[in-house]
Amino acid sequence: GAGVSQSPRYKVTKRGQDVALRCDPISGHVSLYWYRQALGQGPEFLTYFNYEAQQDKSGLPNDRFSAERPEGSISTLTIQRTEQRDSAMYRCASSLNSGTGLGETQYFGPGTRLLVL
Amino acid sequence: GQQLNQSPQSMFIQEGEDVSMNCTSSSIFNTWLWYKQDPGEGPVLLIALYKAGELTSNGRLTAQFGITRKDSFLNISASIPSDVGIYFCAGQARGSQGNLIFGKGTKLSVKP
Repeated sequence: GAGVSQSPRYKVTKRGQDVALRCDPISGHVSLYWYRQALGQGPEFLTYFNYEAQQDKSGLPNDRFSAERPEGSISTLTIQRTEQRDSAMYRCASSLNSGTGLGETQYFGPGTRLLVL
Repeated sequence: GQQLNQSPQSMFIQEGEDVSMNCTSSSIFNTWLWYKQDPGEGPVLLIALYKAGELTSNGRLTAQFGITRKDSFLNISASIPSDVGIYFCAGQARGSQGNLIFGKGTKLSVKP
């Protein structure tokens, strides 16, 4: 695609429900990143993939959060048993190369705004 | 999670004025990046810096990678209304494998 796309753009859910957020990276991009951005803050790293392999999940807050990229393209971030503190903008980014080189440009998607009631 | 110290938090300036914002870190980075975020959009890369002391320009934007590798600044000259937005610095440490650490952002407002 022309850019990184994410769906849904907005998600309202009740506390305790599971949610799945989807990211469609730029076609051909090897690396895919997930960030969380609270209001008035910068994006905060969650996890990233090279192809289908999850390389770093050190930013995932707890074991309710998981991510997968089974075919090395589309990725899903899943939050189980959502809590109100999970409310935030969840952003996906992708980069062309492996992600092991410094400074490779990460292209961000428009994000999914999650609201947990 | 770790975030950088970015200042100022917000700026309200007249069109035509120059703007300066900076970012500091307690740890060393090997790459400094500056992004701009418009409402409803994701951050867009403006300038990337890869060497300590490096000074790089992109049109009216100039950014420098601090010599200590713990800071960076961004200057915007002759601001125009479309410069409005939130500017984020981001740093990447060697061995961080793609993990960007962002500042809290500087919100820029430009009065015509």
